[in-house]
Amino acid sequence: DAGVIQSPRHEVTEMGQEVTLRCKPISGHNSLFWYRQTMMRGLELLIYFNNNVPIDDSGMPEDRFSAKMPNASFSTLKIQPSEPRDSAVYFCASSLGLAEAASYEQYFGPGTRLTVT
Amino acid sequence: GNSVTQMEGPVTLSEEAFLTINCTYTATGYPSLFWYVQYPGEGLQLLLKATKADDKGSNKGFEATYRKETTSFHLEKGSVQVSDSAVYFCALPVISSGSARQLTFGSGTQLTVLP
Repeated sequence: DAGVIQSPRHEVTEMGQEVTLRCKPISGHNSLFWYRQTMMRGLELLIYFNNNVPIDDSGMPEDRFSAKMPNASFSTLKIQPSEPRDSAVYFCASSLGLAEAASYEQYFGPGTRLTVT
Repeated sequence: GNSVTQMEGPVTLSEEAFLTINCTYTATGYPSLFWYVQYPGEGLQLLLKATKADDKGSNKGFEATYRKETTSFHLEKGSVQVSDSAVYFCALPVISSGSARQLTFGSGTQLTVLP
């Protein structure tokens, strides 16, 4: 099992540029989550999908952030334009997404460390 | 809604010391409870879980007991190692629309174990 795959692992970009982060969830998982982690704010849920449909995007900081899940095996998080305060580690996680308690477990990817200069 | 309150860190211990990281929760009913661990430079990974009241979850020498009387799920280990140095997160589900189940995480506790 390959686990959750994220790319790139590191991204350095200049303010104003567009950034696209990619995630491949575990095969068979129905829910996908995007998180942001910083020292100041800790771990924040940005958005999550169930069966490719966005369920809750209330954590998305502003309109510069957008996320898509065109199919069950791929999701993107885009920041346009990027700003220095977006510098953080962005994690993708997936879960079975079923009603049973055992499916609540989330499996995290290794993260993308984003630096905006 | 469901929430967790986690012991503030950081925690620094000597190797072979006893570890306790406190976690208390507020929830409707008796949801599953989780401890996640994040090693440096990695994503979070599930350490252990308990799916019902009075259950004990255990893994890698860590234990946590789901205590409904005190609404707690404290993480313990009898003898920590340098390799246990990491950030530990307590978590529980937040029921949302449809079948999607997001988790709410505590603020994390940084553990450093010195040789």
